[in-house]
Amino acid sequence: AQTVTQSQPEMSVQEAETVTLSCTYDTSESNYYLFWYKQPPSRQMILVIRQEAYKQQNATENRFSVNFQKAAKSFSLKISDSQLGDTAMYFCAFLITGANSKLTFGKGITLSVRP
Amino acid sequence: KAGVTQTPRYLIKTRGQQVTLSCSPISGHRSVSWYQQTPGQGLQFLFEYFSETQRNKGNFPGRFSGRQFSNSRSEMNVSTLELGDSALYLCASSWLTSGTTGELFFGEGSRLTVL
Repeated sequence: AQTVTQSQPEMSVQEAETVTLSCTYDTSESNYYLFWYKQPPSRQMILVIRQEAYKQQNATENRFSVNFQKAAKSFSLKISDSQLGDTAMYFCAFLITGANSKLTFGKGITLSVRP
Repeated sequence: KAGVTQTPRYLIKTRGQQVTLSCSPISGHRSVSWYQQTPGQGLQFLFEYFSETQRNKGNFPGRFSGRQFSNSRSEMNVSTLELGDSALYLCASSWLTSGTTGELFFGEGSRLTVL
């Protein structure tokens, strides 16, 4: 079974600074996808960024980028120029694709951006 | 395009009662997944329906059940409610099964409190 671990329950960052959220996973598979989802307070969860395991290049979406270390089974999210709207819970998720597969989520990390 | 709609948003029940939650996916999406979110356990997968068929099921007791209608709308039912069922229940939709792309579109959730 696949597991996703987010060991930091909470983090705080000053507005405009950079913060990195950690995630590790465990799998014996070689082809899979990794995701970061964001859940703002009282709002719906949205997909932030996706990484295919077969791609060596780290995914980037505007101020969000990942550091994917396949050998170490590590998948961290870097948020640059943090904004107040980045305050949210962030979930790391793992998927081995297949019609009957399902996403496995970590327990999440609460990020607070201080003004 | 309207997002994923969940009803009701909030509800309070007492132990032993049953509850039905509804989810309307994004138009054109054929897959609906349900998750239970609690502070202690994080996001736990309940089940996924695709084209009215249950494609995957999480590790929950038989008190938790669901179904999907021909218009892709889905309902989940919890019978004989227990205090531990208090949670935010999230519905997510996708065009294909969640295991195909991993990209889920979430609703705002139904917050259930069991007294």
